[in-house]
Amino acid sequence: DSGVTQTPKHLITATGQRVTLRCSPRSGDLSVYWYQQSLDQGLQFLIQYYNGEERAKGNILERFSAQQFPDLHSELNLSSLELGDSALYFCASSPIGGAGTGELFFGEGSRLTVL
Amino acid sequence: KNQVEQSPQSLIILEGKNCTLQCNYTVSPFSNLRWYKQDTGRGPVSLTIMTFSENTKSNGRYTATLDADTKQSSLHITASQLSDSASYICVVSFRNTDKLIFGTGTRLQVFP
Repeated sequence: DSGVTQTPKHLITATGQRVTLRCSPRSGDLSVYWYQQSLDQGLQFLIQYYNGEERAKGNILERFSAQQFPDLHSELNLSSLELGDSALYFCASSPIGGAGTGELFFGEGSRLTVL
Repeated sequence: KNQVEQSPQSLIILEGKNCTLQCNYTVSPFSNLRWYKQDTGRGPVSLTIMTFSENTKSNGRYTATLDADTKQSSLHITASQLSDSASYICVVSFRNTDKLIFGTGTRLQVFP
């Protein structure tokens, strides 16, 4: 158990819909990262938050947005869903030093299926 | 271009055998290199993390090596077990940033 909690574990929805994925980082970790992993693909970095502020952006679509709340949990909002958005979405957290130097702890992921 | 390439893409071995996975990177400036194990449908779990000054690091039956001059790393698995069946991902970080570059992984299957 990494200490990073993601909900829901599974989600099935239709094209055009909107969903919200939630992540609670390890206690004390200030940085939260979101990654997308499509079938048989590598992990693609979406976005990073540090202590409530956006810190880095990767290949995140405009239809996607995220935020980190004062209690440090984070939400990833996916809207106008398309079939190609079906993937595993991972959240990871790292200690104050950040993932560059410190360890990165992953949650178990949220599997999104868009029909 | 900053890249991390892993080989082979997939590997099948028999239980009890050893194997070696490769990772080549072109990331600069380099900070550290990590190996993660990802079971199917699960989150990646860290195996080792090495800075440029470290040549080797072990975690049980897993031993990672790093040659910062040639920008190559390997992950050696000794006496493989069925539970070693997973994807192994090489990740390289840039110095002074939180930016990470992920390889696409090597899928290992261990058969009895």
